[in-house]
Amino acid sequence: DIQMTQSPSTLSASVGDRVTITCRASQSITNWLAWYQQKPGKPPKLLIWRASLLESGVPSRFSGSGSGTEFTLTISSLQPDDFATYFCQQYDAYQTFGQGTRLEIK
Amino acid sequence: QVQLVESGGGLVKPRGSLRLSCAASGFTFSDYYMSWIRQAPGKGLEWVSYISSTSSHTNYADSVKGRFTISRDNFKNSLYLQMNSLRAEDTAVYYCARGGYGGALDSWGQGTLVTVSS
Repeated sequence: DIQMTQSPSTLSASVGDRVTITCRASQSITNWLAWYQQKPGKPPKLLIWRASLLESGVPSRFSGSGSGTEFTLTISSLQPDDFATYFCQQYDAYQTFGQGTRLEIK
Repeated sequence: QVQLVESGGGLVKPRGSLRLSCAASGFTFSDYYMSWIRQAPGKGLEWVSYISSTSSHTNYADSVKGRFTISRDNFKNSLYLQMNSLRAEDTAVYYCARGGYGGALDSWGQGTLVTVSS
């Protein structure tokens, strides 16, 4: 099974900051990776697919990069609405999610 | 717009059964893979199962294999998850989502809570 490891588990940041979340796969997944945002009591929302493609309607301050086993999600300038939990997901072989990164206000 | 509405959750005793449903609208249901994903209280996301558009291809997480069965009815635009031999560790919010094999999950329902407890 492919394991996905996200870091950090928690990230404290301020409005306007640039933040990066990392996701590592236990084996190569090419670019079959997605990023999701989840707020309390709500379902996840797709942000990025195929590692770097922005889902329709998602603000351009979100970007994704990487291939193989290392991937990053970057938020260029944090907005108040961005404080949430972020998950990566591989869909190269079945589906596996990372454990999540909680982005909190500093 | 795409809408997915789950139902069928509730409280069930260990070793009991439950059938979840997901009603889809706003898109051509029969064109898409569909998936079930679950989230235990305060925990992360766990893929449970997916099914192809024609039901010819299904797959399950090891944690539910042999106990859960995914199915769909393209005439009723509905997705199902039959859950048997339920365990306490199956307690979670269950989401249905569009996509699965080879694709990201681009639309999600609001989820239905399944609680397994005596």
